[in-house]
Amino acid sequence: AQSVTQPDIHITVSEGASLELRCNYSYGATPYLFWYVQSPGQGLQLLLKYFSGDTLVQGIKGFEAEFKRSQSSFNLRKPSVHWSDAAEYFCAVGGGYQKVTFGTGTKLQVIP
Amino acid sequence: DTGVSQNPRHKITKRGQNVTFRCDPISEHNRLYWYRQTLGQGPEFLTYFQNEAQLEKSRLLSDRFSAERPKGSFSTLEIQRTEQGDSAMYLCASSDGQGRTYEQYFGPGTRLTVT
Repeated sequence: AQSVTQPDIHITVSEGASLELRCNYSYGATPYLFWYVQSPGQGLQLLLKYFSGDTLVQGIKGFEAEFKRSQSSFNLRKPSVHWSDAAEYFCAVGGGYQKVTFGTGTKLQVIP
Repeated sequence: DTGVSQNPRHKITKRGQNVTFRCDPISEHNRLYWYRQTLGQGPEFLTYFQNEAQLEKSRLLSDRFSAERPKGSFSTLEIQRTEQGDSAMYLCASSDGQGRTYEQYFGPGTRLTVT
């Protein structure tokens, strides 16, 4: 069975500070990995995805993530956080066009 | 490309009533997915279609839930005899199923409140 663990329920960072959100997955084959962001009352927006190739992937809004197969991890990073990044972030794993399994999310608070 | 749309955006209903939600995917996307999201949780998979064929249903989808995609375009999700535990955000997503992007594009969701 596929699963995703996001160990941090809530993270607070200062504006301008760096950010790393943790994600560990379980999947029996080659994983397709995603990070989505959800603002209050909004749908999910894809930040970035990994299918194959370079293990460091770049996404929108200055985010990047690194796939580490040996650690079953796909952590999301941003070098300098902006106040507009405050939202909930979901890591997800799937297999191509099949269903996607989401983690429970990490709420990011940005303080000035 | 107008994005995935869902209607209604909000629905309040009394326990025991039936409700139906509609999802219009991005045009020409042949895969359509339904998820449910409760407060403090990530979205949970319910079911998905390739064209009009329903390919997978989650165990979360009890007999009171039914989804259709009759012409391979829009989809409906019906909940019969609603219960308070059905209160959640119901999300629809679509993907093109042919290119190699594998992205699922999400709609804004329908928030259901069962009183």
